[in-house]
Amino acid sequence: EAQVTQNPRYLITVTGKKLTVTCSQNMNHEYMSWYRQDPGLGLRQIYYSMNVEVTDKGDVPEGYKVSRKEKRNFPLILESPSPNQTSLYFCASNRNTGTGVGELFFGEGSRLTVL
Amino acid sequence: AQSVTQLDSHVSVSEGTPVLLRCNYSSSYSPSLFWYVQHPNKGLQLLLKYTSAATLVKGINGFEAEFKKSETSFHLTKPSAHMSDAAEYFCVVTPVAGNFNKFYFGSGTKLNVKP
Repeated sequence: EAQVTQNPRYLITVTGKKLTVTCSQNMNHEYMSWYRQDPGLGLRQIYYSMNVEVTDKGDVPEGYKVSRKEKRNFPLILESPSPNQTSLYFCASNRNTGTGVGELFFGEGSRLTVL
Repeated sequence: AQSVTQLDSHVSVSEGTPVLLRCNYSSSYSPSLFWYVQHPNKGLQLLLKYTSAATLVKGINGFEAEFKKSETSFHLTKPSAHMSDAAEYFCVVTPVAGNFNKFYFGSGTKLNVKP
């Protein structure tokens, strides 16, 4: 089954304690991205990756890091989490269709609370 | 620049009556447009997409949307609402040219369906 898998689904942590949210897709997609969802703001892109070792900032990258060492994995790293990073996070992947417009496939989300 | 405005944050309809969720966009390039649905505690699922073919697009579960370039709109409709349609809906735009890995989300419309 084609899917995007995120872990953990739920996490409560404290300010400053480094954490990583993993994301893996089994569709051989070139593109992967991370979003955060906050009430009334829709989804905002944090980082995206166009292929292995190619990453770039989205609209709200501050306080986050990513890496893309393998095509299937795109972890999101919070080096020193702060309460304003409390949010619902989604990983998504999409393929290069030639025109570049391929639908996004989403994971089920990771709800993060930073105390 | 690209942006998406969903004109209603909440819409409430009775079961069996029509649904209209409004979306206006702004794009420097010819856009591709999507509607996604998010059920509670779930990831986002693609309803339908417009990619410069037919302006009337049919999606899953009886939904459709019409691309109107002159009005820069991409409203989502369904003739008859079902209880299972209660969810949050997001309009999304991505430029066909330019950085086509950037997806811009509206702030979402929560659809409530009354028995």
